[in-house]
Amino acid sequence: QKEVEQNSGPLSVPEGAIASLNCTYSDRGSQSFFWYRQYSGKSPELIMSIYSNGDKEDGRFTAQLNKASQYVSLLIRDSQPSDSATYLCAVSLRPSGSARQLTFGSGTQLTVLP
Amino acid sequence: ETGVTQTPRHLVMGMTNKKSLKCEQHLGHNAMYWYKQSAKKPLELMFVYNFKEQTENNSVPSRFSPECPNSSHLFLHLHTLQPEDSALYLCASSQGGRVPYEQYFGPGTRLTVT
Repeated sequence: QKEVEQNSGPLSVPEGAIASLNCTYSDRGSQSFFWYRQYSGKSPELIMSIYSNGDKEDGRFTAQLNKASQYVSLLIRDSQPSDSATYLCAVSLRPSGSARQLTFGSGTQLTVLP
Repeated sequence: ETGVTQTPRHLVMGMTNKKSLKCEQHLGHNAMYWYKQSAKKPLELMFVYNFKEQTENNSVPSRFSPECPNSSHLFLHLHTLQPEDSALYLCASSQGGRVPYEQYFGPGTRLTVT
């Protein structure tokens, strides 16, 4: 079982629609959750961090965390073609050593169609 | 993004060469990381330095040797690499401490081993 799992996609949505990206994780003790966006050939760019159950909004982006169900999601409202990228979910799993280690999912490729 | 810089951006080296990758962060952070990103695989954490002390080494082969002379600079020394080491090598930084603060990535070095 993968520690952090994402649908690889590709996920296609029309421009202006809501894109929904999901991530599940294996360790119920995980405490910190991050979403990164990675354009082709570029490095990951931090979009959102979330630490508590519930929703966290930042502009067109909303992160949702449900620790009981062990999933975290990212909603992108009013999707634009410029949102087309791979979205990486990163989770801080229960540490056996350092708490600073993040484990990344394989990413979901999103395409927003004009 | 100028907060974390990496040089060189591209590197081609033979299996018998020795080269070094350099990372510098201008964000006042105390933790720095090396990641490897291969095609079709999740980001893999290689090394973690927290306040200049190495705190993680995720079973990385000895042909990769990290060095962190201060909190702003991180090096990855490479020698006798294999073709399967060809990948994008990413440096990241964050605030130090046990809490997994947000990590910010540099642009990466695209390494090709011939």
